[in-house]
Amino acid sequence: DAKTTQPTSMDCAEGRAANLPCNHSTISGNEYVYWYRQIHSQGPQYIIHGLKNNETNEMASLIITEDRKSSTLILPHATLRDTAVYYCIVGGGDNFNKFYFGSGTKLNVKP
Amino acid sequence: KAGVTQTPRYLIKTRGQQVTLSCSPISGHRSVSWYQQTPGQGLQFLFEYFSETQRNKGNFPGRFSGRQFSNSRSEMNVSTLELGDSALYLCASSLALAGGSTDTQYFGPGTRLTVL
Repeated sequence: DAKTTQPTSMDCAEGRAANLPCNHSTISGNEYVYWYRQIHSQGPQYIIHGLKNNETNEMASLIITEDRKSSTLILPHATLRDTAVYYCIVGGGDNFNKFYFGSGTKLNVKP
Repeated sequence: KAGVTQTPRYLIKTRGQQVTLSCSPISGHRSVSWYQQTPGQGLQFLFEYFSETQRNKGNFPGRFSGRQFSNSRSEMNVSTLELGDSALYLCASSLALAGGSTDTQYFGPGTRLTVL
């Protein structure tokens, strides 16, 4: 059973920041927040993950609230190639590699 | 470093048959997980193998089974195929470092199975 809630779809203008929210109110203390994306039924692509602190890599930034009940994935300058389904997943901890995928958010980047 | 590879990429079978799918993890990765993706149910966890042992299992019937070899390569088998088994089957590998509390999974391109 998915442990996360995400909006079904979002639009973003090309070149602007895309902010994708995720609620995970039942996250336990040793579980991590992971973000993946999937393009055209290819295998999901890893983006970023975090436990408590905000994280940044070459693809995106992850902002996790202090109570860890929600997070936001930020794509700083969205391009058309970022159009995909984005999945927020709570994993690790006792469930280790048993990831529960929700429905994800379809991000539409428009010119 | 080569990514996760899955063979075959596409497969067509008929009801009642069985099928075996193969997954080669990223070099050095010791854990392999399998997922099923369908339009109706989304991405669902099937099972995970580590050190040739099934470590985690999802809620699928016994017709779905898997195994892992000493080189970490994994196979999954579906027996007595049903129409509802038509799906994209994804394999993911991870390092599985000793003492680690989390593990990033890297997915392969998937095997598209069609059951007629």
